[in-house]
Amino acid sequence: GEDVEQSLFLSVREGDSSVINCTYTDSSSTYLYWYKQEPGAGLQLLTYIFSNMDMKQDQRLTVLLNKKDKHLSLRIADTQTGDSAIYFCAETFMNRDDKIIFGKGTRLHILP
Amino acid sequence: DTGVSQDPRHKITKRGQNVTFRCDPISEHNRLYWYRQTLGQGPEFLTYFQNEAQLEKSRLLSDRFSAERPKGSFSTLEIQRTEQGDSAMYLCASSLLADSTDTQYFGPGTRLTVL
Repeated sequence: GEDVEQSLFLSVREGDSSVINCTYTDSSSTYLYWYKQEPGAGLQLLTYIFSNMDMKQDQRLTVLLNKKDKHLSLRIADTQTGDSAIYFCAETFMNRDDKIIFGKGTRLHILP
Repeated sequence: DTGVSQDPRHKITKRGQNVTFRCDPISEHNRLYWYRQTLGQGPEFLTYFQNEAQLEKSRLLSDRFSAERPKGSFSTLEIQRTEQGDSAMYLCASSLLADSTDTQYFGPGTRLTVL
């Protein structure tokens, strides 16, 4: 079945690194995404990784994928107050182009 | 192009009334998706279009819900005889079939409150 799990809350001090974790159950996923949602706003695509990759880096963002353990993580370096938001892990599947499966989201809270 | 737009951003209605939302996708995106998001949850898929054809409907989409994309550009989502359980954020997304990453770009959403 399809299921994406995330911890619901993460608290990090400004300037530290944030690591948001996600596990998924369906190994047939093709792309895995991280979306950011600020209060009252829609979803903003942050980054994505193809399922045959292990790592992707984009400025302050690093995505790590452990396909064996079905574990995805998003590391935000030098966390800023503007990073405060809900982060959703999501996946799509080969030949099933009808939907994205989302986790429930991790709320990132930045401490001063 | 400024991305996916949705109208209205907020809608408050009384139970039993009909409501209609509009989504304008990114120009030339041929796929358009509707999702529903309730408080504390991730978005849940409702339906999607490829051009003007509605190709998939979720079990979440009851008979009171209908979506159209008559010209393969903008789409409307209508909810008839609204119920309090319909209160949610309704998100629209679009993607380009030729984009191998299958990336969906989301609009700001329409927040529906049913009193």
